[in-house]
Amino acid sequence: GDSVTQMEGPVTLSEEAFLTINCTYTATGYPSLFWYVQYPGEGLQLLLKATKADDKGSNKGFEATYRKETTSFHLEKGSVQVSDSAVYFCALSTSGGGADGLTFGKGTHLIIQP
Amino acid sequence: KAGVTQTPRYLIKTRGQQVTLSCSPISGHRSVSWYQQTPGQGLQFLFEYFSETQRNKGNFPGRFSGRQFSNSRSEMNVSTLELGDSALYLCATRGDPNSGANVLTFGAGSRLTVL
Repeated sequence: GDSVTQMEGPVTLSEEAFLTINCTYTATGYPSLFWYVQYPGEGLQLLLKATKADDKGSNKGFEATYRKETTSFHLEKGSVQVSDSAVYFCALSTSGGGADGLTFGKGTHLIIQP
Repeated sequence: KAGVTQTPRYLIKTRGQQVTLSCSPISGHRSVSWYQQTPGQGLQFLFEYFSETQRNKGNFPGRFSGRQFSNSRSEMNVSTLELGDSALYLCATRGDPNSGANVLTFGAGSRLTVL
């Protein structure tokens, strides 16, 4: 079945550091890929997405490129802020308009220290 | 427009009891999905409803059930609660899945504690 693998952390960085959170996936067909972020006490918010190979999703300084050849969708940000502290989830959907739910990774807890 | 609304936000039950959780989707969203989030298992898909019909179901026992009303609001029910059912239950909504809408908007969740 479909699966998503990401580092679980916690990942601790200093403010203004470069961030990479690795995400690799296994799926049948051609999935859409997503990064969601969860702040303490809140639900998940969509951060960015990519629907086909070589697409780059970007939002709020975060970027991720859909790499079909390496089945990866790594999340990057050039300079993190304390406010970026949260849990980040990589996810895939093979359904498009179909009936299946999203498959999530276990989440990466990111802590940014001032 | 208002976001996805889940009620109650927090609740405590004892083993053997049952619980009903509610989710009101964003206006215009007709699909409602439910996910269970636990520290050990992460986020797991429970089921999705569209047009009052269950479209798909994850790998959960029959104690977990749901339904959707004509106004797209959804409820999920867990009967005969077990300690392991303690979790954050997240509702997520989207537009018409038959048109390819696959971006989910999540609510803040209902945190269930089973004692």
